[in-house]
Amino acid sequence: ELKVEQNPLFLSMQEGKNYTIYCNYSTTSDRLYWYRQDPGKSLESLFVLLSNGAVKQEGRLMASLDTKARLSTLHITAAVHDLSATYFCAVDWAVNDNFNKFYFGSGTKLNVKP
Amino acid sequence: EAGVAQSPRYKIIEKRQSVAFWCNPISGHATLYWYQQILGQGPKLLIQFQNNGVVDDSQLPKDRFSAERLKGVDSTLKIQPAKLEDSAVYLCASSLDSDREYEQYFGPGTRLTVT
Repeated sequence: ELKVEQNPLFLSMQEGKNYTIYCNYSTTSDRLYWYRQDPGKSLESLFVLLSNGAVKQEGRLMASLDTKARLSTLHITAAVHDLSATYFCAVDWAVNDNFNKFYFGSGTKLNVKP
Repeated sequence: EAGVAQSPRYKIIEKRQSVAFWCNPISGHATLYWYQQILGQGPKLLIQFQNNGVVDDSQLPKDRFSAERLKGVDSTLKIQPAKLEDSAVYLCASSLDSDREYEQYFGPGTRLTVT
């Protein structure tokens, strides 16, 4: 079974600071997804990374994928309070030609303090 | 485009009672997923349908949980009888499933409290 590990699990940071969330996974996969979840809400898609070296940016968030290292990063630049949420990475693993399975990390709870 | 719809949004039941959740995926999405998310944890896949067939139910507690997807569209997830540890948010998601698109889109979830 594929394992997905995120770290840190909890992150408290000041507004204006930069930080990186890491997502490691145990089996080869070319697809990785980042989701955001606000308290009491469902998951909102942030980024879809579909190949080695993929980099995507949206506002203060930038995600990258290194399939050789089995690592994705979510970098936060100049954090603002509105970014406070829980961030999940999910790895899409091709079990066979007809079937893909998603595995989620445990999530990183981000609190940006004013 | 309408998103994934789920109902009810909240449900409170006593242990040993039964409960059912409904999901309507995005139109045209072949694959439908049910997840259980316990407070403070990531979503755990319970069952995955492709059209109206089950492709993975390895983590579904089959002694008490059941799910069906009639006609390859809507789906229901049932718990009978419920236990205290079933208290969680049940998320439904759907995906298009093509060579380029496996991204899952999530519904708002049903928050279940078992007392």
